[in-house]
Amino acid sequence: EPEVTQTPSHQVTQMGQEVILRCVPISNHLYFYWYRQILGQKVEFLVSFYNNEISEKSEIFDDQFSVERPDGSNFTLKIRSTKLEDSAMYFCASSVGGSGSAGEKLFFGSGTQLSVL
Amino acid sequence: QKEVEQNSGPLSVPEGAIASLNCTYSDRVSQSFFWYRQYSGKSPELIMSIYSNGDKEDGRFTAQLNKASQYVSLLIRDSQPSDSATYLCAVNSQGGSEKLVFGKGTKLTVNP
Repeated sequence: EPEVTQTPSHQVTQMGQEVILRCVPISNHLYFYWYRQILGQKVEFLVSFYNNEISEKSEIFDDQFSVERPDGSNFTLKIRSTKLEDSAMYFCASSVGGSGSAGEKLFFGSGTQLSVL
Repeated sequence: QKEVEQNSGPLSVPEGAIASLNCTYSDRVSQSFFWYRQYSGKSPELIMSIYSNGDKEDGRFTAQLNKASQYVSLLIRDSQPSDSATYLCAVNSQGGSEKLVFGKGTKLTVNP
């Protein structure tokens, strides 16, 4: 079964540093997402991306966050100046159609555990 | 603020029993409802989706939706130790939103 691939699986960084989390969505999918889960907390929506632009973002997704699809396969999340509270598991997800459409299945990657020291 | 609420548990059932997981949501216009299973340290995995009032069965799993009561449930029949995980309820609103709102999850333990 095709899968969403995320790298790295673990990322440790110093506060104030920039990090880039990488994802390879499933090849025929058109919608891409980033979610995050702070330890012991809910899975939270960050951003959705369609047709090479952000289609929706949450209040968490402020100016320190950005997303990019630099080529035909990769989808990245950049955090410009990391804060302690950015420590979380970051999940990339993709779907054929938008997750708001009935019958759509969201496929999650295995996640990147980000630790900000 | 759109909320999805679940009992955090833990819910403990013996092997072979029925596990019942419940979820309520606050946004009355929500249209799509999902149950995800998440093993510790792993990503969410879709178990069931439901869009219409009533029951939907898939193998040992049955999802139940009551939009009037803003309530979704998941029944797991013949529970197995491998079902031990955290079960996440997720809701999507209408209007073209791409956002899934997740509950905090209910931790289920199935005892052999």
